[in-house]
Parts: sequence; structure tokens; C-alpha cells
Amino acid sequence: KAGVTQTPRYLIKTRGQQVTLSCSPISGHRSVSWYQQTPGQGLQFLFEYFSETQRNKGNFPGRFSGRQFSNSRSEMNVSTLELGDSALYLCASSPRTTGSYNSPLHFGNGTRLTVT
Amino acid sequence: DAKTTQPPSMDCAEGRAANLPCNHSTISGNEYVYWYRQIHSQGPQYIIHGLKNNETNEMASLIITEDRKSSTLILPHATLRDTAVYYCIVRVSPSGTYKYIFGTGTRLKVLA
Repeated sequence: KAGVTQTPRYLIKTRGQQVTLSCSPISGHRSVSWYQQTPGQGLQFLFEYFSETQRNKGNFPGRFSGRQFSNSRSEMNVSTLELGDSALYLCASSPRTTGSYNSPLHFGNGTRLTVT
Repeated sequence: DAKTTQPPSMDCAEGRAANLPCNHSTISGNEYVYWYRQIHSQGPQYIIHGLKNNETNEMASLIITEDRKSSTLILPHATLRDTAVYYCIVRVSPSGTYKYIFGTGTRLKVLA
């Protein structure tokens, strides 16, 4: 079974631009979560999507948004980029079906975003 | 805030068992403990999880104390490839919300 796939792997953007990151979950997984990892703050939860609806959101400004499609694929968008948005953005998927809510998250290898 | 406490770093000789402790004294009765590791520039890799019984899989063993306030991840025969940051996580809510709060983890260095 293929793992979680994130594209692109690396991205360089300029301050003020916007960016869209993509995540394809493991086949059959219906929940997709996004995390930001920086050296200073570590791994922080951004949001979770299930059945095309945002189910939970972390403490990030509204510039960070996401969506999920009917095939469970997800995109994350960051508008008006700031230097501090430079980070590794990780996507994770999980089945989220009845009886499996304790199933672990499975992470992709992330998109490394550099804002200059 | 993270619900787990781990030592910041540990060393282990290659071929020996690596025992990584984690304190989760505020864990609720139906919250699971999850362990992940992260090798530089890769996503966190799932290792094992458990509720109250000890668990073992092909990668590691998880020992949870009877009061569930702490646990230990055991890598039985550490290799150089086990050098990574290890995270112990208790999911924030048992309601089905898939939100992990990561702490700072333990940086394990396996020495040749």
C-alpha cells in the first residue's frame, strides 16, 4: 500500500506570495491532518479534515487554510507568506472509521517551504 | 501544552537495548499512548501504541506502568539506523479528534 504522498517536496516563495501544498492520503484513509514543524516551535497541529469538513483547528492565523476533496485528497493554502512561515509542512492520514478512532496517524515526508 | 515529558537526549551502544522513558501522569482512562520517531528531514514514523497492556511488534516493545502514568519504549537491539528523535504522544481527546500534541521528544544517538 502506498504511503502518504506530499507534493511538492521543496518550495521556495517570496514574502507576500501565496502557496498551495498537496497531500494524498493512504488509500482508504478518510482523515487528513496537517502539521507545521519549525526548529523553534517543534511540531504543531494546524487542522484536520474528514468528509470534506474541517473537524479541528490549531492556533494558527486565518492565512492558513485547507480543504479536502471527495477522494480524501487535501490541500493546504498559506496566503500572504511571512518569513516565519518557513517550515516543514507535514500531512498525516488515518482511517477514522467506526471502531478505528485509535488508529495511529501515518505521516508523509512533508513539503519544505522556504520563504525569502 | 504537551501532555508528555521525555528526557531530551540519550545514547545507546549499537546492539544493546535502548530504553526510552516517557511520563504522562495526566493521561485519561481511555487515552492511548503513541510512539513515533523522526529521522532528519523525514516525516514522523509510527512505531507502536498501547492503552494499558504491554505491546510488542516487529519494531519495538511498549511497557506501560499499571497506573498508566508512564511508559517505556524498548528497541531490543539498537542499530545505527535507529538514531532519531523519538516522540511519545498522548492524543488530546478520546472523542475521535485526531490531534496530536508533540513534545520535544528524546534525541537517541546509537553509538558504534
